[in-house]
Amino acid sequence: KQEVTQIPAALSVPEGENLVLNCSFTDSAIYNLQWFRQDPGKGLTSLLLIQSSQREQTSGRLNASLDKSSGRSTLYIAASQPGDSATYLCAKKVPGSARQLTFGSGTQLTVLP
Amino acid sequence: GAGVSQTPSNKVTEKGKYVELRCDPISGHTALYWYRQSLGQGPEFLIYFQGTGAADDSGLPNDRFFAVRPEGSVSTLKIQRTERGDSAVYLCASSLTGNSPLHFGNGTRLTVT
Repeated sequence: KQEVTQIPAALSVPEGENLVLNCSFTDSAIYNLQWFRQDPGKGLTSLLLIQSSQREQTSGRLNASLDKSSGRSTLYIAASQPGDSATYLCAKKVPGSARQLTFGSGTQLTVLP
Repeated sequence: GAGVSQTPSNKVTEKGKYVELRCDPISGHTALYWYRQSLGQGPEFLIYFQGTGAADDSGLPNDRFFAVRPEGSVSTLKIQRTERGDSAVYLCASSLTGNSPLHFGNGTRLTVT
């Protein structure tokens, strides 16, 4: 069974801090990995997508990395702001069924002003 | 431009009733996905459409669930004989192709009483 794990489930940091969110997955065979943000009562907003041939992607204050050999991805957020408070989910595209995403349960981030 | 639109945003129904949930994808997106999200969990895959056809329906939990996309645009998820365990947020997503990043709607929160 494909599993995606995100630890911690919740994280609270003071404004301005740099932070790292973790995502680990079973089975190093991967098509791509995507990071999403979800605000309460809302759908998911795609942040970054890393193809299996890539090691990292950057967008503004966000940087996502992918290490297939260890089955890990990290999302680095620089200089965090209260507006970054949300739930962050990672999702892996399932090998053999290239159209499905398997999601982790998310990390709920709170950035305190 | 307009994003993925889902209606209704909230639906309360009685156990045993039939419900339909609608998804309007981004114009021109050929791929459409339905996911279900329970509280505190990541979304779980239900079904994927490429054009008008269901390319992968392996996530549908049982035969009470059915989805259509007759003209390759709007999709309807249909649930017969609803059960309390069907209560969740049903998310729809679309992408330009099957390999492009997914764009999610805000979901329909279904409550079965």
